[in-house]
Amino acid sequence: GIQVEQSPPDLILQEGANSTLRCNFSDSVNNLQWFHQNPWGQLINLFYIPSGTKQNGRLSATTVATERYSLLYISSSQTTDSGVYFCAVLYTGGFKTIFGAGTRLFVKA
Amino acid sequence: GEEVAQTPKHLVRGEGQKAKLYCAPIKGHSYVFWYQQVLKNEFKFLISFQNENVFDETGMPKERFSAKCLPNSPCSLEIQATKLEDSAVYFCASSQTSGNTIYFGEGSWLTVV
Repeated sequence: GIQVEQSPPDLILQEGANSTLRCNFSDSVNNLQWFHQNPWGQLINLFYIPSGTKQNGRLSATTVATERYSLLYISSSQTTDSGVYFCAVLYTGGFKTIFGAGTRLFVKA
Repeated sequence: GEEVAQTPKHLVRGEGQKAKLYCAPIKGHSYVFWYQQVLKNEFKFLISFQNENVFDETGMPKERFSAKCLPNSPCSLEIQATKLEDSAVYFCASSQTSGNTIYFGEGSWLTVV
């Protein structure tokens, strides 16, 4: 089946710093989403981005489907950005969305 | 409704007891998914439905887990004879069509003691 790999697994930032999270996937996909799971366990939709670039405030994402990767950029990080960021892909071999293992982000004040 | 509604939020069961979780997808969404997340780690896909039909059940431990989506009723995920390792948060998600954005509920936290 499709493999979804996220890097780095853990990240500690000083408030105000920028970061880039990466998601690599091993096969063609119909859909890719980025989620933020906050410390209370809620899953928040960040981007639906099967290809191209999108921006939402301090966050932006780029997916290059032909090269099978996606990047999530966080600029001017805040303590509320802490949590786990998941990349999830819908692969064409079956109808299920597969998650990566996540990047655990901690932003220090 | 405007969001995926999961009940109960928390459930505690003794080992060997039955657990049943419910999910109401967003109104107008045809696809429903169940995932298991243990200790905020990876999400394990369990099963997906297109309306009341099972679409993909490759993640279901079939000997104790079952799920249904019946017309005009919330979808359900049932675990017979729970085990300690079933302790997890069970997330339900829905999407309007194949390939669209999927939206998650807030999860049901199952603790087996």
